[in-house]
Amino acid sequence: QSALTQPASVSGSPGQSITISCTGTSSDVGGYNYVSWYQQHPGKAPKLMIYDVSNRPSGVSNRFSGSKSGNTASLTISGLQAEDEADYYCSSYTSSSTLVFGTGTKVTVL
Amino acid sequence: QLQLQESGPGLVKPSETLSLTCTVSGGSISSSSYYWGWIRQPPGKGLEWIGSIYYSGSTYYNPSLKSRVTISVDTSKNQFSLKLSSVTAADTAVYYCARQTPLIAYGVDWGQGTLVTVSS
Repeated sequence: QSALTQPASVSGSPGQSITISCTGTSSDVGGYNYVSWYQQHPGKAPKLMIYDVSNRPSGVSNRFSGSKSGNTASLTISGLQAEDEADYYCSSYTSSSTLVFGTGTKVTVL
Repeated sequence: QLQLQESGPGLVKPSETLSLTCTVSGGSISSSSYYWGWIRQPPGKGLEWIGSIYYSGSTYYNPSLKSRVTISVDTSKNQFSLKLSSVTAADTAVYYCARQTPLIAYGVDWGQGTLVTVSS
């Protein structure tokens, strides 16, 4: 299975909004709403930020939002803060009953 | 508060078998709501799902690793384990265990990860 495609890096100034894309196929992102996003700070385990395309777990800031159109999912971070600087990964359940992650995006707060 | 803790050798020789155990505390591995998975991350690279198991023993594996992977569960010890055979340097990674739901879709809780280096 091939990794989902994400931009290698995205940057923005504090207070701005940024969007990270995650492109798959009709066998994964496009076929299911089991799309999630993880935040990972250096040396730390990933943290679930978005599930079911657009739902936030308890305790996750409402500055994080998710959406999907066709085979592409997106994560938007609004009101960018220094603490948002991290790596972000999308993932999707697939038609083969497997799980696939995205290639990862490094978010830099300028 | 559910906690997961990976344990096992930090150094494995090429061609040997990597063995890791994840101990679950603060909750039961026999919960009907969750799968239990292994995910790895080579240094400086992205996440890769290895496979997952249900408390009954039902498993799902990454097709690219399936021939070398075995995941098992020991409900009496509240643990699940990973064995990866015939390892090479490409298997050097931080290995995470995670609680997943629904099915294997989301990693809702993660262990801190353990670095396994494959080297002679």
